[in-house]
Amino acid sequence: EPEVTQTPSHQVTQMGQEVILRCVPISNHLYFYWYRQILGQKVEFLVSFYNNEISEKSEIFDDQFSVERPDGSNFTLKIRSTKLEDSAMYFCASKGGDYGYTFGSGTRLTVV
Amino acid sequence: SQQGEEDPQALSIQEGENATMNCSYKTSINNLQWYRQNSGRGLVHLILIRSNEREKHSGRLRVTLDTSKKSSSLLITASRAADTASYFCATQRDGTGGFKTIFGAGTRLFVKA
Repeated sequence: EPEVTQTPSHQVTQMGQEVILRCVPISNHLYFYWYRQILGQKVEFLVSFYNNEISEKSEIFDDQFSVERPDGSNFTLKIRSTKLEDSAMYFCASKGGDYGYTFGSGTRLTVV
Repeated sequence: SQQGEEDPQALSIQEGENATMNCSYKTSINNLQWYRQNSGRGLVHLILIRSNEREKHSGRLRVTLDTSKKSSSLLITASRAADTASYFCATQRDGTGGFKTIFGAGTRLFVKA
């Protein structure tokens, strides 16, 4: 069964450093998303991406965040200058049509 | 903004019993989905019910949707210890780019063997 792959599974970074979280969505999917989940809290929408541009973003997705699909297969989330409160599980998801998302297994980001 | 809210927040049952989780939301939707999350793991899509559907089955799962009450329920029949997980409802509306989905806070289900 097709999978969404996320790397790394766990990333530890110093506050103020830049991180890039990587995702390989399902190949024939057209819509891509990033969500995050702070430990013990609900899953929060960050951004959706379609046709090589951001189609919608939440209040969380401020200027510190950016997304890219650099080569037609990878879908990346960059946090420019990490803060302690960015520590969370970050989930990538892709969607092919009018159906549910396929989520990756997540990247646990720990900012110290 | 629309939001799925599940209740109960936590549910503990014996293996073999049925588990019912409820979800309420605030605005009109295209569809509602249920996801499962094992502790510290990714989200697994369980079932999607469209706004014009009232009930859907998948194996031991039964989902109902009442758009007049803006609520949904997920029933897991004959529960097993392996069903222990958090269950989230997610409402999907037509956003500007591919159906933005909003998740509720989830119900933690614990099935005792």
